[in-house]
Amino acid sequence: GESVGLHLPTLSVQEGDNSIINCAYSNSASDYFIWYKQESGKGPQFIIDIRSNMDKRQGQRVTVLLNKTVKHLSLQIAATQPGDSAVYFCAENIYAAGYSTLTFGKGTMLLVSP
Amino acid sequence: DVKVTQSSRYLVKRTGEKVFLECVQDMDHENMFWYRQDPGLGLRLIYFSYDVKMKEKGDIPEGYSVSREKKERFSLILESASTNQTSMYLCASSFSLGGGYTFGSGTRLTVV
Repeated sequence: GESVGLHLPTLSVQEGDNSIINCAYSNSASDYFIWYKQESGKGPQFIIDIRSNMDKRQGQRVTVLLNKTVKHLSLQIAATQPGDSAVYFCAENIYAAGYSTLTFGKGTMLLVSP
Repeated sequence: DVKVTQSSRYLVKRTGEKVFLECVQDMDHENMFWYRQDPGLGLRLIYFSYDVKMKEKGDIPEGYSVSREKKERFSLILESASTNQTSMYLCASSFSLGGGYTFGSGTRLTVV
């Protein structure tokens, strides 16, 4: 929603630049990670995922990198466009109390100026 | 186009009212979830359900209950709404519990 962006770290880029959004995850046993994009007034949308047996996965204009040694995940957006402006969340699959559920990071706001 | 539909986009309720937030998915997913989203706190899991009539508490279940009488519908209930429950509520569904979730557009609830 429109208030989601308050209190968030913000990355400001120019149109056409490459963007890198970072995320530190908490659980070394997590085996699945997802990046979501949330535009103002909308629910989060799936962008790309990666399993822990991989360290890189590419989609259309997006790449996710996973560094399990330091528990770090990054999302790279090539040739960033104004339509990429949104809040980006990473999520990790955590197994607890007999169930696996996704736990979300607090998000990073990406602002793309023309 | 597959989707998760939340019945209300905006709601304003009074303190002490019983509030129902409805969510319907058309993907035949086993799993459904309710999150609330607050500035600075991100998405926090309230309850989830892995099958009809089954429910599990998430991280912040206090003050909430849920109902899943049919596979496609998952309702969040605020038994007695309080001002600290003013928030954006997001419903999601998934094929597997730890897999990718599809989210609804959210319900922005204001309790006055």
